[in-house]
Formats: sequence, structure tokens, C-alpha cells
Amino acid sequence: DIQMTQSPSSLSASVGDRVTITCQASQDIGNHLNWYQQKPGKAPKLLVYAASNLETGVPSRFSGSGSETYFTFTIASLQPEDIATYYCQQFENLPFTFGQGTKLEIK
Amino acid sequence: QVQLQQSGPGLVKPSATLSLTCAISGDSVSNYPVTWNWIRQSPSRGLEWLGRAYYRSKWYIDYAVSVKGRITINPDTSRNQFSLQLNSVTPQDTAIYYCARDPRGGDDSFDIWGQGTMVTVSS
Repeated sequence: DIQMTQSPSSLSASVGDRVTITCQASQDIGNHLNWYQQKPGKAPKLLVYAASNLETGVPSRFSGSGSETYFTFTIASLQPEDIATYYCQQFENLPFTFGQGTKLEIK
Repeated sequence: QVQLQQSGPGLVKPSATLSLTCAISGDSVSNYPVTWNWIRQSPSRGLEWLGRAYYRSKWYIDYAVSVKGRITINPDTSRNQFSLQLNSVTPQDTAIYYCARDPRGGDDSFDIWGQGTMVTVSS
């Protein structure tokens, strides 16, 4: 299975800050990476698909980039409603695998 | 508006079979290029993809190796739903189980999720 490693595991930032989360794959996955946001008690929500494509309806402050083994997810200006846990997910090979999550908190 | 509604018991005895159903509204279980997935989440294992079903002139089912041999995903076109059965469960199968739709089939991203079912394996 392809291992996905996110960094950091948790992050504290202030409203308005630029926030970046990284995701590393254990092998080349091209651009086969998606990003999700999960709030407590809720199912994950798709934000970015195929590394850099913003899902319909997702605010433009969210973005994704990267390829091969290294990917980044950025929130350009953190808002209070962005407090959540964020996950990456690869779809290069079955089984699809997720990162362990990055918990984002407001400072 | 596509919605997925999960149903099934929240408590299952060890060695028994876990059975969940995901009813689809606003889409069709046999729609192309959609795939229909089961994913679970637990503190120890994180988010874990379990398997999927999709129709491409015939039905295809894929399973994660971690549960292969114990899992069955069954699409039901007459009821427009798909189900999950996991046999011989242990406490390690305790998790929140989600059904989820991949709308595009090519980027395997999950845009619509069920509400989740907390399943506890305990006697």
C-alpha cells in the first residue's frame, strides 16, 4: 500500500494567517491526490481533487499543488470556520489511502 | 441534490456479521462514471477505504486487501442502494462507517458522503 505522511500533525494559527500543510507519498503518485476537510461529528468534505483542482463551491482561499511524491495544501487567509482536520488521499493505486490528518486550531 | 442515507445496527457481537445499507437519492447506483464506496474511520486506523462497486456494462467490485475474504459489497439496482457486509468482526472493526460517491470515476475523489454509522463490536 502507498503510505501518505502529513505534516504537521497539528497546527495553531491566527485568523488571516497563511497556512500550509504538506503530504508526502511513499512512491510517485503523479497528481493523483485529493484533499478533504473534516469537522467534528461530520463526514469529510472534498476540497481539492487531482492535486490542484478546486471542488465546485469551495472558497478560493483554499488551494493545492504538487506532484509525484510531494504535495501542499494552502489556506491563503485562515478564517474561523476553517477550524477542522485536513486529510490527503491518494488514488494512484488500490487501496486508496489517506494521510493521518492535520488538526488545525485557532491561536 | 444527491444524498446518501445509511442504515444498519450500531452494535454487533464479535464473530458476527456487520451489515450496512446506503440508499441513494438524486443519482443512480448504475450511473456512469460514478463509483460507490465504503470507508471507515477509527482512532487507531484513521480513514480506511474498504471497497467500491461500479457499473461498466457489468458490475465490478474492488476490495481492500486488509478486509478481503471478509467483505462483500452488493449493489441493488431495484432499490437504488448498495450494501456492506463484513464477516467475523472483532473489536478492531469498531469504527464509524461511511458510504461515499466518487462522481467522476477517474480521480477517485469522494464528493458525497453518508451521515456515518458508528459501529461498535462488543458482546
